[in-house]
Amino acid sequence: EVQLVESGGGLVEPAMSLRLSCVASGFTFDDFSMHWVRQAPGKGLEWVSSVNWNSDTVTYADSVKGRFTVSRDNAKNSLYLHLTGLRPEDTAFYYCARRRNDWDPYFDYWGRGTLLTVSS
Amino acid sequence: EIVLTQSPDTLSLSPGQRATLSCRASQTINNKFLAWYQKKPGQAPRLLIYDVSTRAAGVPDRFSGFGSGADFALSISGLEPEDFAVYYCQQYGGSPPYTFGQGTKLEIK
Repeated sequence: EVQLVESGGGLVEPAMSLRLSCVASGFTFDDFSMHWVRQAPGKGLEWVSSVNWNSDTVTYADSVKGRFTVSRDNAKNSLYLHLTGLRPEDTAFYYCARRRNDWDPYFDYWGRGTLLTVSS
Repeated sequence: EIVLTQSPDTLSLSPGQRATLSCRASQTINNKFLAWYQKKPGQAPRLLIYDVSTRAAGVPDRFSGFGSGADFALSISGLEPEDFAVYYCQQYGGSPPYTFGQGTKLEIK
């Protein structure tokens, strides 16, 4: 069974940094590109970042470019999102999601998310 | 960036009725890379439909997707109590950002 489990959220003050993690199981992790998607309270889903299987290609939403860094450790079946310069508008549930493949690049499995609250 | 606009924002229906949710793109979506997700509070988003009209594994056949170009829709026939949730469309083709619609809340009337 495919499982994605996020962790690392919590309450942080503006301008601080944090690292979110997503541990994958039930599939060969390094066969898949991975994404981060977030949902602010009462808002819709927003794509945040993606990384391909070997970390050669990483992409970011304009709203987080220069502040967030995505990475992965295939030996640990883990995906990470390093967040710096946090702002109150970064408050959201953060989900990791798996991309099916290059020919059908939809997001087929998602985790349940981890909540990040940025507030003083 | 492709902007997706969903309508209506909220749809109030009774169990057993049919729901039709709309998703309009700001430009043509190539390669049929349009998906629908179901989201319930505290749960992971669930993939329902990909490539405009293909049901994901385990999705009941009362869910169907259709459309082309820039106009798409999700239809749910014979609404069950568990279908009341928020639904999002997403385009996932080409270069990022892989944008989502703002969501349609399907609520019990």
